[in-house]
Amino acid sequence: EADIYQTPRYLVIGTGKKITLECSQTMGHDKMYWYQQDPGMELHLIHYSYGVNSTEKGDLSSESTVSRIRTEHFPLTLESARPSHTSQYLCASSDGTGKEDTQYFGPGTRLTVL
Amino acid sequence: KNQVEQSPQSLIILEGKNCTLQCNYTVSPFSNLRWYKQDTGRGPVSLTIMTFSENTKSNGRYTATLDADTKQSSLHITASQLSDSASYICVVSDRGSTLGRLYFGRGTQLTVWP
Repeated sequence: EADIYQTPRYLVIGTGKKITLECSQTMGHDKMYWYQQDPGMELHLIHYSYGVNSTEKGDLSSESTVSRIRTEHFPLTLESARPSHTSQYLCASSDGTGKEDTQYFGPGTRLTVL
Repeated sequence: KNQVEQSPQSLIILEGKNCTLQCNYTVSPFSNLRWYKQDTGRGPVSLTIMTFSENTKSNGRYTATLDADTKQSSLHITASQLSDSASYICVVSDRGSTLGRLYFGRGTQLTVWP
């Protein structure tokens, strides 16, 4: 079982609210990732980080922002949530070494914006 | 265009039966291929990983095969159990960047009935 945690697990909010999805890992991994996944669809990378103070946008354009002030913490923020942001958000981490570089996923946050 | 296609989209089998899930990919250059298991409402968990030179890899009742020439992989599940009900995702990594970009399939939704 991977030591990567996400809170909240479920969130229902109204349009226009600011939200922060939390992600933390205790494995000391340098690389962290945020994915967005709609039901029955593939995961799409929206943000990633190589380490502290490093953040990059992923393949799928997202209005969310991320920060990496501490190695273990990689929160995702939506300044003004909209119904189009309704989705499952998965956080992952990897140690970034070797060819395998397996990503370990958190349990996800299911976000519903009304 | 780099893609990962999985079939079937969904599958229902009886407990104790075997099944095989398919994955075809066009990702190039190829680094490795992973199979993940994703339980409903949870994050994906890695089952197997294979590099270019590996033809087969087992993890308990799960056996993955890889044909790098035809760019096909399969995941065989032996003596299925109710707990095998989940989405099985094929993920291919390229060697095109330091990130080792991942390409996700949409998954095969497996349901095991008693």
